[in-house]
Amino acid sequence: GEDVEQSLFLSVREGDSSVINCTYTDSSSTYLYWYKQEPGAGLQLLTYIFSNMDMKQDQRLTVLLNKKDKHLSLRIADTQTGDSAIYFCAESKGGGNKLTFGTGTQLKVEL
Amino acid sequence: IAGITQAPTSQILAAGRRMTLRCTQDMRHNAMYWYRQDLGLGLRLIHYSNTAGTTGKGEVPDGYSVSRANTDDFPLTLASAVPSQTSVYFCASSENSNQPQHFGDGTRLSIL
Repeated sequence: GEDVEQSLFLSVREGDSSVINCTYTDSSSTYLYWYKQEPGAGLQLLTYIFSNMDMKQDQRLTVLLNKKDKHLSLRIADTQTGDSAIYFCAESKGGGNKLTFGTGTQLKVEL
Repeated sequence: IAGITQAPTSQILAAGRRMTLRCTQDMRHNAMYWYRQDLGLGLRLIHYSNTAGTTGKGEVPDGYSVSRANTDDFPLTLASAVPSQTSVYFCASSENSNQPQHFGDGTRLSIL
């Protein structure tokens, strides 16, 4: 199976919260990342969390990390149409700089 | 504006041709990376460089080569392009090897 798994698609209404989930396999991962990709564009680093943290909040974004279950989530509060994009979870395998990406979750925000 | 510049933006190439994708960063980052993005497979690391003068192989290095003559530039070369190398190629950099990576806008490459 995939090293990093994400659901393929999520649809939410504008103003609601979005929660994008990710599971990873490498317990030695030092950092876990969330990237956003808009159509035709590169990947934009949204946020990241160090493996010794459980939670990180940055404005509308909240990252939760459950190391026991190797589960990472990204919560977007008050989701806007501009948040529509593909969101990638990534882990740094072996604690180094080689990132392993999930296949991405496409977030669609409906009015 | 500081960042990563990739060129060309897109290219259509005949199979068997040689092609070099360019990547330049002006952030003085030590580490640089090349990824390919394919539908359903996410991004996969092709080659990386932790510092000028050194390179390493990623997950899918076959058919590609890189060089890192200086800090700013990290070109990716396809010596003899094949259709399976049709993809979107992203260059990335990070301050050091254990810091977050920042991406360029990509090169869309089609091999016919």
